[in-house]
Amino acid sequence: EVQLVQSRSEVKKSGEFLKISCKGSADSFTTYWIGWVRQMPGKGLEWMGIIYPDDSDTRYRPSFQGQVTISVDRSTSTAYLQWNSLKASDTAIYYCARHSRPGSWYAEMDVWGQGTTVTVSS
Amino acid sequence: EVVMTQSPATLSVSPGERVTLSCRASQNLITNLAWYQQKPGQAPRLLIIGASTRATGIPARFSGSGSGTEFTLTISSLQSEDFAVYYCQQYNNWPPAFGQGTKVEIK
Repeated sequence: EVQLVQSRSEVKKSGEFLKISCKGSADSFTTYWIGWVRQMPGKGLEWMGIIYPDDSDTRYRPSFQGQVTISVDRSTSTAYLQWNSLKASDTAIYYCARHSRPGSWYAEMDVWGQGTTVTVSS
Repeated sequence: EVVMTQSPATLSVSPGERVTLSCRASQNLITNLAWYQQKPGQAPRLLIIGASTRATGIPARFSGSGSGTEFTLTISSLQSEDFAVYYCQQYNNWPPAFGQGTKVEIK
């Protein structure tokens, strides 16, 4: 069974650096686009961006471009979401999820991580 | 960007009732639309792909329909475990986008 396991919850202060992770369990990790989804407190799901582990091709929703960095370590089948300077408004649950069609982001998200709660105090 | 609009925002229903949730897109999606269920404290769960195909392990009481810009998720007889928030998501146009969700609550 394919699984995505995310790093633990984080409590940070405004201006700090943070990198959270999403580790895949399957050998096929590199052939599926991995996306990140934000859920602010009491709100809905927002699709942020994606990475293709095989070649590190990365794309962002315009509203998240420049605000976060998505990266990957193929050797450990781990995707990352990074902030260089956190803001209180980054407080949210962040999910990683796999786009289900190999090599294509034109697909639903079929496997989800358990979520990482990020709390940023000002 | 494609704007996804779900209605209603909240639906109050009794167990056993039939439920219909709507999702409208600002552009033609053909049938490239998925539905997800999210319960409190849990990650979203994939229900429907390609507008009308149930994902693996999803009970037959869940069905999806529609194409183009109008889509529907129907739960034929609501069970207690179905009280949750439901999201539609388009993956036809860049960037993928979710609707704002419909909360199905106990009446």
